[in-house]
Amino acid sequence: QITLKESGPTLVKPTQTLTLTCTFSGFSLSAGVGVAWIRQPPGKALEWLAIIYSDDDKYYSPSLKSRLTITKDTSESQVVLTMTNMDPVDTATYYCAHRQGYGYGLDYWGQGTLVTVSS
Amino acid sequence: DIQMTQSPSTLSASVGDRVTITCRASQSISSWLAWYQQKPGKAPKLLIYKASTLESGVPSRFSGSGSGTEFTFTITSLQPDDFATYYCHDYSTSPWTFGQGTKVEIK
Repeated sequence: QITLKESGPTLVKPTQTLTLTCTFSGFSLSAGVGVAWIRQPPGKALEWLAIIYSDDDKYYSPSLKSRLTITKDTSESQVVLTMTNMDPVDTATYYCAHRQGYGYGLDYWGQGTLVTVSS
Repeated sequence: DIQMTQSPSTLSASVGDRVTITCRASQSISSWLAWYQQKPGKAPKLLIYKASTLESGVPSRFSGSGSGTEFTFTITSLQPDDFATYYCHDYSTSPWTFGQGTKVEIK
């Protein structure tokens, strides 16, 4: 049974760095598997942020690339996303999700964590 | 970057209706398109991938079609549990893009 869960601060101040951890179980980051981060501002659409694959290939949203870093800790079954220089417009629910491999969509999602950026 | 245009943004329908949502890509994405259902306060749920492949466990009243730049998502007979927001998702190449969503409301 595949599960993912996001963890991190619920409130950050403007200009601070956000660190979110996705802890997963039921799969290993191997053989083409990927873990992605997606966010959703309140009442708005989904926005893809980044993805990391088993071979450590990483891809980022071009509009946020300078602020994002995605890493994996295979031994801990975790994927970490850091976002620098947080702004109130970054207030959103942040999700991590599993990708089975090339050609597949995002088939398992975490419950999401709401991050509010406010002074 | 590829842009995804999803329509309509809102759709009012009744139980038993046939519902169709469209996504148009700004350039060809072959069949690398997924559809998700999202209910308030919940994570999205994968329904369709590779444009027309039904995810395991998803009812057969959901279907997808299309390739290249034009894609369609259909619910053949709308059920009470289907009132939700639906998103298309281009995963042909980085950067990935989601459509703006279609909220299916009770008429």
